[in-house]
Amino acid sequence: DIRMTQSPSSLSASVGDSVTITCRASLTISTYLNWYQQKPGKAPRLLIYAVSTLQSGVPSRFTGSGSGSEFTLTISSLQPEDFGTYYCQQTFSTLYTFGQGTKLEIK
Amino acid sequence: QVELVQSGAEVKKPGASVKVSCKASGYSFTTYPVHWVRQAPGQGFEWMGIINPTDGSTSYARQHQGRVNMTRDTSTATLYMELSSLKSDDTAVYYCVRRNIFRGVLTSYFFDFWGQGTLVTVSS
Repeated sequence: DIRMTQSPSSLSASVGDSVTITCRASLTISTYLNWYQQKPGKAPRLLIYAVSTLQSGVPSRFTGSGSGSEFTLTISSLQPEDFGTYYCQQTFSTLYTFGQGTKLEIK
Repeated sequence: QVELVQSGAEVKKPGASVKVSCKASGYSFTTYPVHWVRQAPGQGFEWMGIINPTDGSTSYARQHQGRVNMTRDTSTATLYMELSSLKSDDTAVYYCVRRNIFRGVLTSYFFDFWGQGTLVTVSS
């Protein structure tokens, strides 16, 4: 199984800040990398697919980048509604796997 | 609009079975595969399997094979996930998710629509 490792596991930032979350895959996964946001008690929401393609309706302050086995999600100009837990996911192998999550708190 | 609406919460005893439903609407039911994933309390996501609504073919995660059964009813655009021989560590929120694909210079499969989740609690 492909292991996905996110860092940091949690972070706290202020409105207006820029934050970056890193996701590393245990194997090269080409561009089969997606990002989701989950708020407490809710289903996840797709933010970015294929490394850097923004899902419809997602604000442009979310950007994804990376290649091979290392990827990043950057949220610029943080807004209060950006709190939640962020997960990366690989869909390169049949057994899709997720990172363990990064919990973002807004100060 | 695309919707996946799941059945309500369940409480089961160890050794019992549970069947969760997921009714799809707002899109062509047979066009998109549907996956099931679960999330134990305070934990991350675990992929359980996939069903192709076109022909009902399935593929399951190794650790669940023999205990999980995914089916669909094309007449009602409803998918089902049944898990048997329940154990306490099967306690989780179970999600059905629609899988889409993007093919271009960059390619990926991704989950674009999620059901609201069904909490299954296994307790004696």
